[in-house]
Amino acid sequence: DAGVTQSPTHLIKTRGQQVTLRCSPKSGHDTVSWYQQALGQGPQFIFQYYEEEERQRGNFPDRFSGHQFPNYSSELNVNALLLGDSALYLCASSWRLNSPLHFGNGTRLTVT
Amino acid sequence: AQTVTQSQPEMSVQEAETVTLSCTYDTSESNYYLFWYKQPPSRQMILVIRQEAYKQQNATENRFSVNFQKAAKSFSLKISDSQLGDTAMYFCAFLDPGAQKLVFGQGTRLTINP
Repeated sequence: DAGVTQSPTHLIKTRGQQVTLRCSPKSGHDTVSWYQQALGQGPQFIFQYYEEEERQRGNFPDRFSGHQFPNYSSELNVNALLLGDSALYLCASSWRLNSPLHFGNGTRLTVT
Repeated sequence: AQTVTQSQPEMSVQEAETVTLSCTYDTSESNYYLFWYKQPPSRQMILVIRQEAYKQQNATENRFSVNFQKAAKSFSLKISDSQLGDTAMYFCAFLDPGAQKLVFGQGTRLTINP
């Protein structure tokens, strides 16, 4: 039973560029949430997708956008990258909106 | 807005000892969930233990147990008979079912020494 898978593992981008991160939820899960974890900090909630719609959003600018596909997988897009966007991006999945979250190993994004 | 505070940035104990990690939180909600997550160097966030606020009984999972004090808004994690594999960052987290998002503390880096 595959858990939450994220790709790529690592990514290096330049300021101003755009990036897309991908997440496949655990088998049987239909809800995907994204978190940003800066170095030495706890994760911060970006947004959550359920039934292909954004259901909740944290305090992140519109440069951060996402999508959920019919197979429940999800993408996180960040436009106009800033140095401060350098972080570990964690994807978490669950069944419906109120069950325990299962996290992936994250994508380490470095913006230079 | 809910906040979660972990006042111990780092802790270090010897193998087989017992260690307690502290967490306090602030909320006006009466129904919520609290979690402890472990994040080893592999980066994956692993659920250690979960507590529902409406349950008075403290949750226990093998060597891991919590001391949940709802009135004091305190949620500490006790690790008994600590093992080298317990070395990791530990995060306390709060979930408001209505908001459907986890609010994490800053984390405690726990090192188990041989």
